[in-house]
Amino acid sequence: NAGVTQTPKFQVLKTGQSMTLQCAQDMNHEYMSWYRQDPGMGLRLIHYSVGAGITDQGEVPNGYNVSRSTTEDFPLRLLSAAPSQTSVYFCASSYFGGRTYTDTQYFGPGTRLTVL
Amino acid sequence: TQLLEQSPQFLSIQEGENLTVYCNSSSVFSSLQWYRQEPGEGPVLLVTVVTGGEVKKLKRLTFQFGDARKDSSLHITAAQTGDTGLYLCAGAKHSGGGADGLTFGKGTHLIIQP
Repeated sequence: NAGVTQTPKFQVLKTGQSMTLQCAQDMNHEYMSWYRQDPGMGLRLIHYSVGAGITDQGEVPNGYNVSRSTTEDFPLRLLSAAPSQTSVYFCASSYFGGRTYTDTQYFGPGTRLTVL
Repeated sequence: TQLLEQSPQFLSIQEGENLTVYCNSSSVFSSLQWYRQEPGEGPVLLVTVVTGGEVKKLKRLTFQFGDARKDSSLHITAAQTGDTGLYLCAGAKHSGGGADGLTFGKGTHLIIQP
C-alpha cells in the first residue's frame, strides 16, 4: 500500500491564480481531511469528508473548495490564491471501525505552497 | 472551541537526559492522541489513550492520560538523537469518527543534542 499520497510536493503561485492539490489513499478509508500547518498555529482543519459525496467545513474553510467523488480521492481547490494561503498542506485519512475513540489519522507527506 | 495547550513549545537537551512534554486543556476529551512529525513529512501516530489515568509505554516513551481526561503527558527516558522532532497532541471531542472531532495542540519542538 502506498498509503496517502499528495501531489505536488512544492508549488509556487501568484496571487489570484487557482490550483488543485491532489490527495489519494489506497486504504479504503471512509474519512479524509485537509489540514494546513503554519508556524505557531499547529494543524488546522480546512475541510473533511466522511465518505464519497459528503463533505463539510472545518475550522478554516474560506478560500478552499473540496469534492469527494470517489473513496480514494479528495482534491483541495484554491479558488483565487492569496499570500495568506502560504502554508504546508496535509491530507489525512482514517478508518472508522466503530471504535469508542477516534481512529488513527494517516497523513500524507504534505504540499508546501507559496503564494507571491 | 476546545483548546489544547502544549508545553514547552521548544526543548533542547543532551542525549541521555529525561524529559516530559505536557498537553493541557480545560475541556474533557473522549481520547487523546500523540503524533510525531519529522521535517518534510506528515505526522505519524505514536499512541492513543482512552481511559482516564491510563498509562501506555512505547519503548522509552511513556504516555499518560489525566484522571479527568483533560490533560496528558509524554515522558522520554534517556533521550536519543533519533527522538528529535515535533510532537503533537490531539484531543477527540467525541468518540469514533475522524478529523472533525480532533483538536491539535501547537506542538513541542524537541531537539536532542549528541
